[in-house]
Amino acid sequence: NAGVTQTPKFQVLKTGQSMTLQCAQDMNHNSMYWYRQDPGMGLRLIYYSASEGTTDKGEVPNGYNVSRLNKREFSLRLESAAPSQTSVYFCASSEGFLAGEVETQYFGPGTRLLVL
Amino acid sequence: AQKITQTQPGMFVQEKEAVTLDCTYDTSDQSYGLFWYKQPSSGEMIFLIYQGSYDEQNATEGRYSLNFQKARKSANLVISASQLGDSAMYFCAMRERNTNAGKSTFGDGTTLTVKP
Repeated sequence: NAGVTQTPKFQVLKTGQSMTLQCAQDMNHNSMYWYRQDPGMGLRLIYYSASEGTTDKGEVPNGYNVSRLNKREFSLRLESAAPSQTSVYFCASSEGFLAGEVETQYFGPGTRLLVL
Repeated sequence: AQKITQTQPGMFVQEKEAVTLDCTYDTSDQSYGLFWYKQPSSGEMIFLIYQGSYDEQNATEGRYSLNFQKARKSANLVISASQLGDSAMYFCAMRERNTNAGKSTFGDGTTLTVKP
């Protein structure tokens, strides 16, 4: 099992360009997440998908869109990149938020994005 | 609203000694889970340990243990017999059971350096 995979590993964009970050998991998890990590800080939730067919905003959704393509894949799109979006982006997945349970999130290796 | 505070930006420990990394949290929910993740210089997020709010015993995983004091809202990570490979950033995170997808809130992290 590969776990959670992300592509690309590293990307440089010019201001105003668009791109899509890809994430896939092979653990048959229901829930998937996108976080960003700025230097010296913890992770902040951008968007999440509790289950296939649903997506919701997290703490910092402005400037991003997401697509839950199927159960395995959850993509993050930057329509018009800005220097403030320079960050490391992590995708994560978890079994699914069951009533009365708190399950562990498993993270991908991250995508380092630089917007010039 | 959830909040995680890690008051130690950096910690040093001698190899083979124990070290405690502090984490305090704030929540109005009665049901929640607390997590610790390790982020080495390579950047990936590695799950270490989990403590549920109703768990009566402190969680342990190998050399990691969680000193959970519910009344004080603290969930400190104890690493015993430190190794050079333990040098990394450590993040405390919390998820509440009452949220739709168990969204995690992360602290800003503590950088641990193990000295030989």
